[in-house]
Amino acid sequence: EDKVVQSPLSLVVHEGDTVTLNCSYEVTNFRSLLWYKQEKKAPTFLFMLTSSGIEKKSGRLSSILDKKELFSILNITATQTGDSAIYLCAVGSGGSNYKLTFGKGTLLTVNP
Amino acid sequence: EPEVTQTPSHQVTQMGQEVILRCVPISNHLYFYWYRQILGQKVEFLVSFYNNEISEKSEIFDDQFSVERPDGSNFTLKIRSTKLEDSAMYFCASSEAGQGDSYEQYFGPGTRLTVT
Repeated sequence: EDKVVQSPLSLVVHEGDTVTLNCSYEVTNFRSLLWYKQEKKAPTFLFMLTSSGIEKKSGRLSSILDKKELFSILNITATQTGDSAIYLCAVGSGGSNYKLTFGKGTLLTVNP
Repeated sequence: EPEVTQTPSHQVTQMGQEVILRCVPISNHLYFYWYRQILGQKVEFLVSFYNNEISEKSEIFDDQFSVERPDGSNFTLKIRSTKLEDSAMYFCASSEAGQGDSYEQYFGPGTRLTVT
């Protein structure tokens, strides 16, 4: 059974702090790893990673994948209250049929 | 920016009733998905759909569930005889491709289904 484990499950920080969210996985036929931000409803796409060691960046957010050790991290620098959300890690797998397996998420709370 | 839309946003139904959840995927996308999230739990894959047929389904997607693309824009999930445990948020997603490439899946805002 495919497994995606995120840590920590929750995190409380102050504005301006830097946070690192972790995601490890065990899946058959790995294709990609995706990070989403879930605020009230829909998961909003952040990054998709397919190759090891190549950092993807978008503003204050960045992410990297290690396919040998089977994990990814999501970094958020200079956090703002608007970063408060659940961050979901999902792994895309499958041969001809592609699906996402999600972790439980990390609830990030950024206090002013 | 194109987005996935879903209707209704909230559906309340009685146990045993049939419900149809509707989705309009992003227009140039070819692969469509349904996921569900029971309150407080993980997002779970239900089914993927391509070229008018199911590509893959999870063990959750049993005979009471069906999907359809009734026209060129809508993608529906039907639950034939709802049970209390079907209460969840149902997300529709779409992607440009799914086979042989890795493409990001874009999610709709969800339909909250409450079965009483």
